[in-house]
Amino acid sequence: GEEVAQTPKHLVRGEGQKAKLYCAPIKGHSYVFWYQQVLKNEFKFLISFQNENVFDETGMPKERFSAKCLPNSPCSLEIQATKLEDSAVYFCASSLALYGYTFGSGTRLTVV
Amino acid sequence: QQPVQSPQAVILREGEDAVINCSSSKALYSVHWYRQKHGEAPVFLMILLKGGEQKGHDKISASFNEKKQQSSLYLTASQLSYSGTYFCGTEPSSSNTGKLIFGQGTTLQVKP
Repeated sequence: GEEVAQTPKHLVRGEGQKAKLYCAPIKGHSYVFWYQQVLKNEFKFLISFQNENVFDETGMPKERFSAKCLPNSPCSLEIQATKLEDSAVYFCASSLALYGYTFGSGTRLTVV
Repeated sequence: QQPVQSPQAVILREGEDAVINCSSSKALYSVHWYRQKHGEAPVFLMILLKGGEQKGHDKISASFNEKKQQSSLYLTASQLSYSGTYFCGTEPSSSNTGKLIFGQGTTLQVKP
């Protein structure tokens, strides 16, 4: 399809619980990016993939965050032992050739 | 490292023009512009590459001054649909991963 599909739209987790977010990029797009958008509009880069390979993971808090893009499956972002500060909207974006991203509609994670 | 956008907010009447600026402290390979409406995904507007300038769609265009590491987005004869938050995303010359560093956003409100 021509849209980046993110699920779920909303996710509520208690502190310490696991959260898993999914992203289906546009078919044919080789690059997938994950960004975290916190309250004051700030976008924080987390990780990117080129096909199933990690392309850039310089933004990932590696202790609790992990991500995968496996063939024929949606990409996933997993947060182990969520903290209150993880509350944010997580956007996935895909790109054909790094000339502009198409963003998904995001997953709003609330940690209580 | 985050690019600085100015102004932070602007209110216009329909038909008026606006300029949004984005300034980086790093040498840049490209600058992207996105518009995000409240509660929605950012939408790609255009990309400007080092060595070139690309004109966008409708009455929205942009420029990129590589020497000053600055980009400006021009909205002419604004329409109600232009309301939203505009983000620049910068890709440093030192990076070749497509990772963007986003500015803090400029909120534009167009009134009838």
